[in-house]
Amino acid sequence: KQEVTQIPAALSVPEGENLVLNCSFTDSAIYNLQWFRQDPGKGLTSLLLIQSSQREQTSGRLNASLDKSSGRSTLYIAASQPGDSATYLCAVRNYGQNFVFGPGTRLSVLP
Amino acid sequence: EAEVAQSPRYKITEKSQAVAFWCDPISGHATLYWYRQILGQGPELLVQFQDESVVDDSQLPKDRFSAERLKGVDSTLKIQPAELGDSAMYLCASSFGGFQETQYFGPGTRLLVL
Repeated sequence: KQEVTQIPAALSVPEGENLVLNCSFTDSAIYNLQWFRQDPGKGLTSLLLIQSSQREQTSGRLNASLDKSSGRSTLYIAASQPGDSATYLCAVRNYGQNFVFGPGTRLSVLP
Repeated sequence: EAEVAQSPRYKITEKSQAVAFWCDPISGHATLYWYRQILGQGPELLVQFQDESVVDDSQLPKDRFSAERLKGVDSTLKIQPAELGDSAMYLCASSFGGFQETQYFGPGTRLLVL
């Protein structure tokens, strides 16, 4: 059974800092992996979707990488801003299965 | 930009009462998902529909939960009777097609059972 963990559980950084969020999964035979953002009390917003054949995806200041062999993905946020404060979740999908979500990393970017 | 709609946004109910949540997916999206998210955890899938058919309801507590998508468009999730442990955020998501597609989430319904 796929298990997804995210470290750290919470992170606080000053504005302007580059940061990395980590996602680990136990079953490397994945179909794709998706990073989401969730603001307090709100639904999830899709950030980046990486297919199993891809190594990374970029959108603006965000870059997500995937290393299936080690069961890891990272989300890199460049030049962080207070508006980036949210919980970031990764979700992993195996072939023929639905998403399994990690518990999320709660990010605070301080002005 | 098209969005997934959910109502109500908040619901407070007493234990043993019945509650229902509604979801309207993005137009043209064949696949609809209901998730439950307990505070501090990631969402867990309750049920997946492909058009009007249930594809996966293996994690749905069928003794008290039911879901339907009669015309393959909007969907209703019902809990009867509600229990204290059902307090959570209930999220609806939709996607155009298969597993390679991005899921788009609605704003969720926050349920509090007293």
